[in-house]
Amino acid sequence: AQSVSQHNHHVILSEAASLELGCNYSYGGTVNLFWYVQYPGQHLQLLLKYFSGDPLVKGIKGFEAEFIKSKFSFNLRKPSVQWSDTAEYFCAVEFSGGYNKLIFGAGTRLAVHP
Amino acid sequence: DAGVIQSPRHEVTEMGQEVTLRCKPISGHNSLFWYRQTMMRGLELLIYFNNNVPIDDSGMPEDRFSAKMPNASFSTLKIQPSEPRDSAVYFCASSLFGQSYEQYFGPGTRLTVT
Repeated sequence: AQSVSQHNHHVILSEAASLELGCNYSYGGTVNLFWYVQYPGQHLQLLLKYFSGDPLVKGIKGFEAEFIKSKFSFNLRKPSVQWSDTAEYFCAVEFSGGYNKLIFGAGTRLAVHP
Repeated sequence: DAGVIQSPRHEVTEMGQEVTLRCKPISGHNSLFWYRQTMMRGLELLIYFNNNVPIDDSGMPEDRFSAKMPNASFSTLKIQPSEPRDSAVYFCASSLFGQSYEQYFGPGTRLTVT
C-alpha cells in the first residue's frame, strides 16, 4: 500500500539550531513530493515541491529538501530555525495516476524556543 | 485570486443535526479534495473529485457522510446525522490536475458536535 512516514512526531529546538525532518515513502514508481506547513490555527501552505530535475529543492523561508530516490526519502532541512518556524510540518506524496491525490504523513510538530 | 473559500469557518451543532460544509475552489481548478483533521487521526482524505466527478470516496467514514460537486465552482460535504466524534477541522483543497500538481488549501471549517 502507498504510505508516507515521518520519523519524528515532536521536535523541540532552540532558535538558531539546525533542523532536519525525515520523510520516507513506499512505492518505487514516479512520484511528486511536497512539504506543507501548518502554522497554529491556520490552514496548510506549501513550503516546497519536487517534480523532477535537481534533487535539492529550495522553498520559502529558507527551507530546502533533498530527494534521494534510492532511499525513497525527501527530508526537509533548515540551517537555522526561528521562533516563527513553530508549526506542524507535513510531508506529502503524489503517486503516479492519482489525479493530484496526495498521501500525507502524520506530521511533525516543531516547537522553537527563543 | 481569492483562494479556496470555505464556509462556515466555525460550526457548533447538537448531535443528530444535519451539517453542511461548503467549498468554492480556485477558479479554473479541476480537482477538489475534502480532508478531515483531528488530533488523534491527523489529516485524512475523505473524498476527491476530478472535473466534478467523484473519483475516490474510500475515505468517507460512513454513510452519514456525503459529498457533492454540482459544478466546477462549488462543493458540499454533508453529515447527517452528526455525532460528537465528527468534531474536527474539515479542509477543502483544489488543484489543477494536468498542469500543476500542488493542492491549495482553504482555511477550514472547525466543526464541534455537542
